[in-house]
Amino acid sequence: QVQLQESGPGLVKPSQTLSLTCTVSGGSINSDDYYWSWIRQPPGKGLEWIGYLYYSGNTYYNPSLKSRLTISLDTSKNQFSLKLSSVTAADTAVYYCARGRRYHGGDFDYWGQGTLVTVSS
Amino acid sequence: EIVMTQSPATVSVSPGERATLSCRASQSISYNLAWYQQKPGQAPRLLIYGASTRATGIPARFSGSGSGTEFTLTISSLQSEDFALYYCQQYDRWPPITFGQGTRLEIK
Repeated sequence: QVQLQESGPGLVKPSQTLSLTCTVSGGSINSDDYYWSWIRQPPGKGLEWIGYLYYSGNTYYNPSLKSRLTISLDTSKNQFSLKLSSVTAADTAVYYCARGRRYHGGDFDYWGQGTLVTVSS
Repeated sequence: EIVMTQSPATVSVSPGERATLSCRASQSISYNLAWYQQKPGQAPRLLIYGASTRATGIPARFSGSGSGTEFTLTISSLQSEDFALYYCQQYDRWPPITFGQGTRLEIK
């Protein structure tokens, strides 16, 4: 059974960089069948796709976040990471990592439980 | 960017009855649509992909239909555990992948 688990600080100061890691267990991140993704949900609001990472290292970012965003892979630890710079209160959200199915086009079959990140001084 | 619009925002249905949720895409997305269920404090769960294929372990009372720009999620004979938020998601043309704003299914 595949499991994803987010980890990282729950509080980030404005203008700083938000950093999160997703640890994947029960399956290899080094697979051409899947995209590894970050998705966020502001409190009481809907879902926003942040970006995808492919095992080759190719990345696909939401254009609205692209200038502040880095998603990277650590195959030795079966992890992938998110860095979002210059954060503001608008970046406060529950951040999910999820597995996208490449051969289905990009639906998400496994999700982490989510981690709340609050941007506040 | 493809905009996904869900309607209604909230729907009230009695247990045992049928619920119909709609999702519209701003341009054709063929069959590249998924539906998710989200309960409070939980991550979304994949229900339907390819517009009409149930994901593993999803009960047969959940069904999806549609293609192009108009899609429907139908839940027949609502159970208490079905009252939740539902989101549609397109994966036809990306980036960005986009979600609808959600429909809340509440008990009447």
